[in-house]
Amino acid sequence: AQTVTQSQPEMSVQEAETVTLSCTYDTSESDYYLFWYKQPPSRQMILVIRQEAYKQQNATENRFSVNFQKAAKSFSLKISDSQLGDAAMYFCAYRSGPSSGSARQLTFGSGTQLTVLP
Amino acid sequence: DTAVSQTPKYLVTQMGNDKSIKCEQNLGHDTMYWYKQDSKKFLKIMFSYNNKELIINETVPNRFSPKSPDKAHLNLHINSLELGDSAVYFCASSPDRVGGEKLFFGSGTQLSVL
Repeated sequence: AQTVTQSQPEMSVQEAETVTLSCTYDTSESDYYLFWYKQPPSRQMILVIRQEAYKQQNATENRFSVNFQKAAKSFSLKISDSQLGDAAMYFCAYRSGPSSGSARQLTFGSGTQLTVLP
Repeated sequence: DTAVSQTPKYLVTQMGNDKSIKCEQNLGHDTMYWYKQDSKKFLKIMFSYNNKELIINETVPNRFSPKSPDKAHLNLHINSLELGDSAVYFCASSPDRVGGEKLFFGSGTQLSVL
């Protein structure tokens, strides 16, 4: 079974600064996807970014980018020019790829609470 | 317009009661889910329905019974509520059977069992 670990329960960053959230995962599969979700106080889960394991290039979405290290099974999220609206709980998630033959549902980490300081 | 809406947002009830949480999606998606987020923020899938058919049923007590009257609705009924059922329950939908980038979540129902 796959596991996802987020070792930082809480992080804080000054507005306009950069912060990196860590995520590691354990899997024996070679075909999979990784995601970062954001959960603001409204509790709604919002997809931030995704990465296909077969792609070497790190995904980016505006101020959000990932550092995907497949051999190390690491998938960190970098938020540049942090804004007050970035304050939220961030979840890393894993999903098996089409060739895995498994149920292919998301496995979530335990989350990192990000505080943005004005 | 809210894509995935669930009611109520908050639910406080006594142990032993039966309660329901309703979920509706207006995205035309074929698949709907129930997730449970415990007090430590762990988020785990409970059920998944595709076109009203149950496709995923994780290890959940049979006191939890999902009901899908049509593919736009997936309700969760819980019998004989226990203290350990206190959590936030999220409904979600996706256009296909797998979750991920096309997964839309509702805003959650915070259930408190006293």
